[in-house]
Amino acid sequence: LAKTTQPISMDSYEGQEVNITCSHNNIATNDYITWYQQFPSQGPRFIIQGYKTKVTNEVASLFIPADRKSSTLSLPRVSLSDTAVYYCLVGDRGSTLGRLYFGRGTQLTVWP
Amino acid sequence: NAGVTQTPKFQVLKTGQSMTLQCAQDMNHNSMYWYRQDPGMGLRLIYYSASEGTTDKGEVPNGYNVSRLNKREFSLRLESAAPSQTSVYFCASSEARGQGEKLFFGSGTQLSVL
Repeated sequence: LAKTTQPISMDSYEGQEVNITCSHNNIATNDYITWYQQFPSQGPRFIIQGYKTKVTNEVASLFIPADRKSSTLSLPRVSLSDTAVYYCLVGDRGSTLGRLYFGRGTQLTVWP
Repeated sequence: NAGVTQTPKFQVLKTGQSMTLQCAQDMNHNSMYWYRQDPGMGLRLIYYSASEGTTDKGEVPNGYNVSRLNKREFSLRLESAAPSQTSVYFCASSEARGQGEKLFFGSGTQLSVL
C-alpha cells in the first residue's frame, strides 16, 4: 500500500488560501488520491478525490503533478470553521481490496 | 438520510468485560470498516468487510472479532476488554467511485475500559 507523508500541523489566518501537500512516492498506477476532513468528535468526511492534473469542487481543489508522487489540497479563503485535521489517502479498490489506511493527518488551525 | 449509524455513542467497561459495537448503513454499500482512533493519532483499521459474508484483518485486529450480519450491518466485538482498547471507534462504509473508494463514517463510539 502506498504510504503518505503530510505535515503534522499548519497555521493560517481567516481569508487566506491554504495549501497542504502530501507525498506519496510509491503510488501505484491504479491508485486514486483522496482527502478527508475530520472535526473533533466526528468521523472523517470526504472532501475531494482525483487521479491526475486538477480537480475542483465546491469545497477545495486538488492538484496532482504529472509524476503523481505528491498532491496538494488547496482550500480557498479559509474560515475558522476549516480548523480540522486533513488526511491524504492513496489506494484503489482492486489492489487494496477496499482497505484504506489513514496516517496522522495534518492539523490545520485557522486564526482570526 | 441516516448514512452510517453506530451504537452506543459512549460506553464504559471494566477490564475483562465483553461488548459489541453495532454499525448499520443504509446506502447499500458493499464494503464496511471498523477503525479506532487514539488521542493525537490517525485512524487505524481494525477489520474490514469487502462484501457480505467476508471479513478480513486490518492493521490492529488483536483483541477484536467482527461479524458481517448482512449487507447493512457490521458489528465489532470485544471479548475481554483491556485498558489498551480505550479509544474512539468509527465504523465506515464505502462506495466505489470509478476505481477509487469514498468512505462514509459514523459519528463514533467513545469507549473507556477501566
